[in-house]
Amino acid sequence: EVQLVESGGGLIHPGGSLRLSCAASGFDVSTGYMSWVRQAPGKGLEWVSVIYGGGGTSYADSVKGRFTISRDDSQNTLSLELSSLRAEDTAVYFCATMRYYEDHNGHHPFYYDFWGRGTLVTVSS
Amino acid sequence: DIQMTQSPSSLSAFVGDRVTITCRASQSIDTHLNWYQQKPGKAPNLLIYDSSSLPTGVPSRFSGSGSGTEFTVTITSVQPEDFASYYCQQSHTSPPTFGQGTKLEI
Repeated sequence: EVQLVESGGGLIHPGGSLRLSCAASGFDVSTGYMSWVRQAPGKGLEWVSVIYGGGGTSYADSVKGRFTISRDDSQNTLSLELSSLRAEDTAVYFCATMRYYEDHNGHHPFYYDFWGRGTLVTVSS
Repeated sequence: DIQMTQSPSSLSAFVGDRVTITCRASQSIDTHLNWYQQKPGKAPNLLIYDSSSLPTGVPSRFSGSGSGTEFTVTITSVQPEDFASYYCQQSHTSPPTFGQGTKLEI
């Protein structure tokens, strides 16, 4: 069974930095596709970043240049380095695994199949 | 970015009611639409993928349909454990985007 456990959240001042971790079991971080998705208090879900099986990465425009996604294959852990934090980055950050499938036209969309419970990041002075 | 718009934003129902939630995409996304259920303080849980496919373990009272720009998820007989928030998400084009959510209340 896949389990994902996030850690590293907390209260941080605007402009500060923080590192989030997502420890995985039952899932190989080194070859899998994983994302960070966040949810501001009382709001909806927002995709933040993805790391592909080959190591490529992508970011939402709102965090590009400030956040860095990475993985530690030896620890089977996904990370998200947050810097130049703003009040609008306040949210619960979830890590999630991505499963690609082939559709009726031979395309390969995906869905998020396993999620962690999330870690809360609060940016406030 | 593709915008996803859900309606209604909130919905009240009785146990046993039939409930339908709609999700509209700002451009065609084929059938590349997923639905998630989220209970307070919990992570989202996959409910439907590829517009109408149910993952193993999801009760058959849930069903999804649609293609192109309009999609629905239906609960044929709402159960107490179904009261939660529901989100649609497209994976047709990067970045993946979510609807704003629909809260189903008793």
